[in-house]
Amino acid sequence: DTEVTQTPKHLVMGMTNKKSLKCEQHMGHRAMYWYKQKAKKPPELMFVYSYEKLSINESVPSRFSPECPNSSLLNLHLHALQPEDSALYLCASSQGTGGAEQYFGPGTRLTVT
Amino acid sequence: DQQVKQNSPSLSVQEGRISILNCDYTNSMFDYFLWYKKYPAEGPTFLISISSIKDKNEDGRFTVFLNKSAKHLSLHIVPSQPGDSAVYFCAASAGYNQGGKLIFGQGTELSVKP
Repeated sequence: DTEVTQTPKHLVMGMTNKKSLKCEQHMGHRAMYWYKQKAKKPPELMFVYSYEKLSINESVPSRFSPECPNSSLLNLHLHALQPEDSALYLCASSQGTGGAEQYFGPGTRLTVT
Repeated sequence: DQQVKQNSPSLSVQEGRISILNCDYTNSMFDYFLWYKKYPAEGPTFLISISSIKDKNEDGRFTVFLNKSAKHLSLHIVPSQPGDSAVYFCAASAGYNQGGKLIFGQGTELSVKP
């Protein structure tokens, strides 16, 4: 089973809203990731969690706030987003952070109005 | 500074023939390479990977070749099928040195025609 699930599938939010994206995996993976993907572009890494601790933050604006409640769950809290933040947000997981395949979820299509 | 490059934005191949997708990289610290396939509005699907200690890895119709001296890798799909039509991303990792960070190429859109 290499499934990573993400909810919601689609999200439309205003610039003053607060919302959260959720990601779950039950593969026993100890590393989880958030990526952002714009149309016709490759995924761009935002955050890495290793053993439930934030290990990489790719200089992401503070209006994006990640959280890892346990080894299976990863959240991305959104607040005061801008229209240019509209994108596909992808979650991924891997066994570890050294040379392991990352398995991606289906993504959340976010539109900021 | 593009560390992973896929210079062909698109490739069109006849069904049954071989598809060859290419990828070049500049960072000699990369030690693990992966190929992903992506359909529109879906997450990337892992296809195949190769460690820098190997020069070839095969899985069914998919074979990845690595030429470390040229800093080049390629994905061969034989035989190509219409369902293979998608965007293919090459990705590279420096493993523990970069905490699992994957650097993706820009992608090549493969179209397999019946």
